[in-house]
Amino acid sequence: DAKTTQPTSMDCAEGRAANLPCNHSTISGNEYVYWYRQIHSQGPQYIIHGLKNNETNEMASLIITEDRKSSTLILPHATLRDTAVYYCIVGGNQGGKLIFGQGTELSVKP
Amino acid sequence: NAGVTQTPKFQVLKTGQSMTLQCAQDMNHEYMSWYRQDPGMGLRLIHYSVGAGITDQGEVPNGYNVSRSTTEDFPLRLLSAAPSQTSVYFCASSYDLRGYNEQFFGPGTRLTVL
Repeated sequence: DAKTTQPTSMDCAEGRAANLPCNHSTISGNEYVYWYRQIHSQGPQYIIHGLKNNETNEMASLIITEDRKSSTLILPHATLRDTAVYYCIVGGNQGGKLIFGQGTELSVKP
Repeated sequence: NAGVTQTPKFQVLKTGQSMTLQCAQDMNHEYMSWYRQDPGMGLRLIHYSVGAGITDQGEVPNGYNVSRSTTEDFPLRLLSAAPSQTSVYFCASSYDLRGYNEQFFGPGTRLTVL
């Protein structure tokens, strides 16, 4: 599975968009980009995933570059409750096998 | 649906003791996984299963055994607990949905080995 590189931490003002980058230069053609987040000590929560196209759901948007070597997770209007560690993961559809990295600790400040 | 449940929530063991962490899901998911998370670290995959009777090793399998006799249950056994196994353990389940899988995580078991 391809590895990812994320900034260790980021700050964002409440109400502003949070843009979390991820590099995955060794991603292979059939691997998805997944984003999860972990609030405090809870179990991680799925946010969104994509293969080639940009994706949007009720939680976030995912922008994947044309060469698929990097992506950005966008939280359009960050709230204090979005403070969490965000994990960018690349992997195939092999069930059960997601390799987590260190993630980005996002702090949303009033 | 209860989702993914884990028992116990907290456990303290002495070095050398054995125990089983329980994980169950009621979503009829094919795939189940065990992760550990040490303080300030990301999750590391211990073992995973793609269906009943099939298991495979993850990144850090040493010291742990798993079996998958039913779709619903995926217990994790610590054979001889060591202080290095002090961690939070998360179980997850998922199913293959149009070629990708979204994992659902349990609340975790916090294990301390003295």
